[in-house]
Amino acid sequence: AQTVTQSQPEMSVQEAETVTLSCTYDTSESNYYLFWYKQPPSRQMILVIRQEAYKQQNATENRFSVNFQKAAKSFSLKISDSQLGDTAMYFCAFFQGAQKLVFGQGTRLTINP
Amino acid sequence: GAGVSQSPSNKVTEKGKDVELRCDPISGHTALYWYRQSLGQGLEFLIYFQGNSAPDKSGLPSDRFSAERTGGSVSTLTIQRTQQEDSAVYLCASSLSGGAYTQYFGPGTRLTVL
Repeated sequence: AQTVTQSQPEMSVQEAETVTLSCTYDTSESNYYLFWYKQPPSRQMILVIRQEAYKQQNATENRFSVNFQKAAKSFSLKISDSQLGDTAMYFCAFFQGAQKLVFGQGTRLTINP
Repeated sequence: GAGVSQSPSNKVTEKGKDVELRCDPISGHTALYWYRQSLGQGLEFLIYFQGNSAPDKSGLPSDRFSAERTGGSVSTLTIQRTQQEDSAVYLCASSLSGGAYTQYFGPGTRLTVL
C-alpha cells in the first residue's frame, strides 16, 4: 500500500521568508500523481500544486514550486515570499489509479508578521 | 462556477442516533469522493462514486456507514447508531471524471457525537 510521510508536524517562519515543506512517499509504481493541498482554518481543502510523475520538470504555481525527486521518492513544496495568508495546514497527497488520494499527516505552517 | 457544497456545516448528535450528511458536487463532475478527517487517523478515504458504476466502498469503516448518490449528482453519507469515535470532519470532493483529475473539496461537515 502506498504511504505518504510528512516529517515536519509544525513549522513557523517570518513573513516574506522562503519555507520548504517535506514529503516522502512509498510506491512501487512508475506512473502516479502528487499533490499539495492547503487547509486554512476555514477547513476548505484548496489545491496548491500537482505533479505528474512522468514529467521531469518541477511544477510551479506563482510563489509555490515543488522539488520532485522521483528516485528518492521525495516531493517537497517551496513557498517563496511567504504571506500571512499562507498560514494553514499543508497536506501532501498521492494518487495512483486506486481512485483515492492517500494523504500525509500534514504540516501546520504559521507565517508570523 | 459554484464549488462543492456540504451541509450541515456542523452537526452535534447523541450517541446511538443516525445522521445524514449531504454533498453537492461541482456541476458536470461525474466523480464524487467522501473522506474523513480525524485527529487520530488523519485523512482517510471512505467511498468513491463514478458515474453509474458501482461505488468503491473499500474505505467505509463499518456497516454503520453507507452512502448513496442520486441521479449522478447529490450524495448523502449516512451513519447509523453513531459512536463517539465517529466524531470527525467529513469532507466531500468531486472531480471531472475520476482518474487523475484534480479533486476539489467542499468545506466539510464537523460531526460531534456526545
